[in-house]
Amino acid sequence: GQQVMQIPQYQHVQEGEDFTTYCNSSTTLSNIQWYKQRPGGHPVFLIQLVKSGEVKKQKRLTFQFGEAKKNSSLHITATQTTDVGTYFCKNSGYALNFGKGTSLLVTP
Amino acid sequence: NAGVTQTPKFRVLKTGQSMTLLCAQDMNHEYMYWYRQDPGMGLRLIHYSVGEGTTAKGEVPDGYNVSRLKKQNFLLGLESAAPSQTSVYFCASTPDRLNTGELFFGEGSRLTVL
Repeated sequence: GQQVMQIPQYQHVQEGEDFTTYCNSSTTLSNIQWYKQRPGGHPVFLIQLVKSGEVKKQKRLTFQFGEAKKNSSLHITATQTTDVGTYFCKNSGYALNFGKGTSLLVTP
Repeated sequence: NAGVTQTPKFRVLKTGQSMTLLCAQDMNHEYMYWYRQDPGMGLRLIHYSVGEGTTAKGEVPDGYNVSRLKKQNFLLGLESAAPSQTSVYFCASTPDRLNTGELFFGEGSRLTVL
């Protein structure tokens, strides 16, 4: 399967600061999905991006799919303590490989 | 709908013991997966199934076996548990034939091997 790499592995921000995590692939992806896992919880689907250059928003979260469909990003504006957790990207295909995730810690 | 249910939620084993984790989904999904999650390693695919009676190996299949005798159930077995298998195990399912749909996860099973 197509491996995806996520950076950074960890991010610690003050509440109100912005946060971005990146997902990169060496090969073209058919689609990319993003999941959030709260501490002690299970991954929960956030969104799927399919089209080249696609941008989708969910309140303070903005998701982008690169023009070449080899990278994606998740940006959170003005983080809140409820944003704490690990964010994973995932490619499609039978192998369904996840990135290793970015753990976000938000300090009040 | 219960969604994806995993049993047991917690288990402690001694090295060499065997056990089976059960994943049940009531959404009539074709595809089911078993992942393990370890600190800093993300989610790693152990085995998966694209339909009743079929199974395939994922990224880290050694030491595990699986069965999909019924569409709604996907069992993960450890024949001889090792401390390296201490982990949180997640089951997931998706209905999408093209495998591009949302994954639905169970709440996880935390396994400790002493």
